[in-house]
Amino acid sequence: EDQVTQSPEALRLQEGESSSLNCSYTVSGLRGLFWYRQDPGKGPEFLFTLYSAGEEKEKERLKATLTKKESFLHITAPKPEDSATYLCAIPAGGTSYGKLTFGQGTILTVHP
Amino acid sequence: GAVVSQHPSWVICKSGTSVKIECRSLDFQATTMFWYRQFPKQSLMLMATSNEGSKATYEQGVEKDKFLINHASLTLSTLTVTSAHPEDSSFYICSARRGEAAFKETQYFGPGTRLLVL
Repeated sequence: EDQVTQSPEALRLQEGESSSLNCSYTVSGLRGLFWYRQDPGKGPEFLFTLYSAGEEKEKERLKATLTKKESFLHITAPKPEDSATYLCAIPAGGTSYGKLTFGQGTILTVHP
Repeated sequence: GAVVSQHPSWVICKSGTSVKIECRSLDFQATTMFWYRQFPKQSLMLMATSNEGSKATYEQGVEKDKFLINHASLTLSTLTVTSAHPEDSSFYICSARRGEAAFKETQYFGPGTRLLVL
């Protein structure tokens, strides 16, 4: 059974204080790993898809990396507007093709 | 980027009435869409998988006669909450799967629909 675990559950940072969020996973045959950002009262906003170990993707202050066991979302010099819940998810294969297994999310709060 | 819309964004209805929520992929075709509900401070819970031209597949514990799903075209899926009751009040979110390349795909989410049943 696919499993996704995110840590920490909550993270408080000062503006400009860089840090990383972790997403560890167990899956039989990785078909991709997704990172999303979710603001209160809104649907998840797509950030990145990573497909293979060693892959990295960047967008503004965010950088996602992937190993065979985990993914990191690095936030460089965060701003208050980066405050949100960050979700990672992996898609199932086989008869459950496409169904996402989500981690519980990391609630990021960036203080000015 | 891919855009998925939902309508309405919020709805208030009386107990016993039915409510229809639309999910549209605006700039791509989606043979598969998914419906989720989310309670406050909890993660998304998958309700059903909607496949264009065929019956939806429901997750265990989700009443298919209460949550009717129709995926009549490659860009539209609808969720109808029938005979809604206060316990159906929740945040409903859809997603649409888009193929990026061979064996590569991404899911894009709609903005969600807040349902309040009085």
